[in-house]
Amino acid sequence: SQKIEQNSEALNIQEGKTATLTCNYTNYSPAYLQWYRQDPGRGPVFLLLIRENEKEKRKERLKVTFDTTLKQSLFHITASQPADSATYLCALDKTGFQKLVFGTGTRLLVSP
Amino acid sequence: EAGVAQSPRYKIIEKRQSVAFWCNPISGHATLYWYQQILGQGPKLLIQFQNNGVVDDSQLPKDRFSAERLKGVDSTLKIQPAKLEDSAVYLCASSPGLATGQETQYFGPGTRLLVL
Repeated sequence: SQKIEQNSEALNIQEGKTATLTCNYTNYSPAYLQWYRQDPGRGPVFLLLIRENEKEKRKERLKVTFDTTLKQSLFHITASQPADSATYLCALDKTGFQKLVFGTGTRLLVSP
Repeated sequence: EAGVAQSPRYKIIEKRQSVAFWCNPISGHATLYWYQQILGQGPKLLIQFQNNGVVDDSQLPKDRFSAERLKGVDSTLKIQPAKLEDSAVYLCASSPGLATGQETQYFGPGTRLLVL
């Protein structure tokens, strides 16, 4: 069966450290994968998109990697801040027509 | 630029009642999505429109859920009759369009539904 898995347990880190979140998938061959941030009571907000032919993508303190052999994406936040505390969702395009399938999300807590 | 608007923000109904949600996408966006997000889970796509046509509704429980986007702009999602398991946040999203190559989806704040 098709699955997208993210750590269901919250990730607790100290301010200034690098947070690394994992997204694993099975039985999909996505053309791209996206990461979204969701704050309580709000809709998801797009952060980064990485395509199947890209190994790594960066935007300010964010970095995403995509390994289509391992079927895994890693999402890094460097020099983390308490304001980075949120739930982070990975999503992949199932059909090539922007039909996104989301993981369950990982909650990140950055303490001062 | 104005974001995706949704109303109401909260709704409490009893099971077997009906409810409707409204969504106004970002101006000019051709593709509109409705998602259901149950507490502790990621959003699940219910239906995808391109202009006023349905692209995908394979996960929409059609015996009780319906959606329309008559003029290719705003959209309504209806549940009739509601069940307890429909308690969730209903998210609307929009994107520029399938032919644009722009895959970012822009989400509204959601409507939180509680069925008692």
